Amino acid sequence: AQTVTQSQPEMSVQEAETVTLSCTYDTSESDYYLFWYKQPPSRQMILVIRQEAYKQQNATENRFSVNFQKAAKSFSLKISDSQLGDAAMYFCAYIYMNRDDKIIFGKGTRLHILP
Amino acid sequence: DAGVIQSPRHEVTEMGQEVTLRCKPISGHDYLFWYRQTMMRGLELLIYFNNNVPIDDSGMPEDRFSAKMPNASFSTLKIQPSEPRDSAVYFCASSLSTNYEQYFGPGTRLTVT
Repeated sequence: AQTVTQSQPEMSVQEAETVTLSCTYDTSESDYYLFWYKQPPSRQMILVIRQEAYKQQNATENRFSVNFQKAAKSFSLKISDSQLGDAAMYFCAYIYMNRDDKIIFGKGTRLHILP
Repeated sequence: DAGVIQSPRHEVTEMGQEVTLRCKPISGHDYLFWYRQTMMRGLELLIYFNNNVPIDDSGMPEDRFSAKMPNASFSTLKIQPSEPRDSAVYFCASSLSTNYEQYFGPGTRLTVT
């Protein structure tokens, strides 16, 4: 069965520093999507970044980038130049939409930004 | 586009009452999802629709929950009768089948007393 694991319930980083949030997943499929979502205290779920499994190139969105290791089933999120507004809960998500659809979110990592 | 719209934003009701949550997806999106979020259970997928047709409702906790999507721009999640354990934040999200990027509404915080 597919699973998504975020092993770090909480993390802290100094403002302007770089932090990496980890996510591992388990699947027997080869063509799927991976996402990172951010949920600030306002509780709004915000899409941060998307990675298609068939793409070898790691996705990047401004200060956010991923390290996608398909063989290792690892999908970490790197936040560069951390800002106070980055403080939030971050969720990793796996989506496989085919004959046996699976949509699975991890339990989340709470990120604190230290001024 | 205004994004995904949910109403009400907050709902407080008494046990046994019927509760209806509403969602308007982003125009043109062909998938619609309903989630429930609690501290204990995290984010749970309840049901999702593709082109207004329910595809997977295996996450619906029990028969007290029902969801409909009468057209491409409107969906409801109904709980009847409501129970205190249904207290949670309910999110609606929509996406395109071309990339499955889900865009979430602001959520409805439901409190059942």
